[in-house]
Amino acid sequence: DQQVKQNSPSLSVQEGRISILNCDYTNSMFDYFLWYKKYPAEGPTFLISISSIKDKNEDGRFTVFLNKSAKHLSLHIVPSQPGDSAVYFCAASARGYGQNFVFGPGTRLSVLP
Amino acid sequence: GAGVSQTPSNKVTEKGKYVELRCDPISGHTALYWYRQSLGQGPEFLIYFQGTGAADDSGLPNDRFFAVRPEGSVSTLKIQRTERGDSAVYLCASSRNSGGDETQYFGPGTRLLVL
Repeated sequence: DQQVKQNSPSLSVQEGRISILNCDYTNSMFDYFLWYKKYPAEGPTFLISISSIKDKNEDGRFTVFLNKSAKHLSLHIVPSQPGDSAVYFCAASARGYGQNFVFGPGTRLSVLP
Repeated sequence: GAGVSQTPSNKVTEKGKYVELRCDPISGHTALYWYRQSLGQGPEFLIYFQGTGAADDSGLPNDRFFAVRPEGSVSTLKIQRTERGDSAVYLCASSRNSGGDETQYFGPGTRLLVL
């Protein structure tokens, strides 16, 4: 039973446009969320995070939005660049209950030149 | 400084054999994590160390899997009597501390193939 879901296995976006990656979770105890990016043959690298006390966090071209009532978060990349092409993983943790991240299955983003 | 390193990068073994996978965390990081990633899936938590002790091993699938971190730095994941279903990428991560909001830095993984 997946606690973190990324229902789109893949997404293609034109360079310069906005990429929106979505993530849904089921465990209401989750209070910290992260996005990781993964290139082939490399480990995941941290991209951006958000605490449940916020509904938005921005870092350059990357913005994460959190909708706690819907148990939904999204990652916006504006403008998208070809180097953003990678697999993006959403992850969640319940900080008061342990240190484990639960990862979604990932969404493969392709930014087309 | 150097990131998390893992050796070997690839390991091919036969069903029933024993394998060891090594992880060198970032220097000074007290927390170390092992994950397993199967094709088309996200990383799946296996075990987490705070210092030398395993603080949470709830993700280990069965008693064929064991991990150690005897000096609080390098860790070894050990798999006995390997099965074909053990084939996956095994990822190691480390973080400065063990807080639930500490960024985990991942190594490149060891790709294990059990024939």
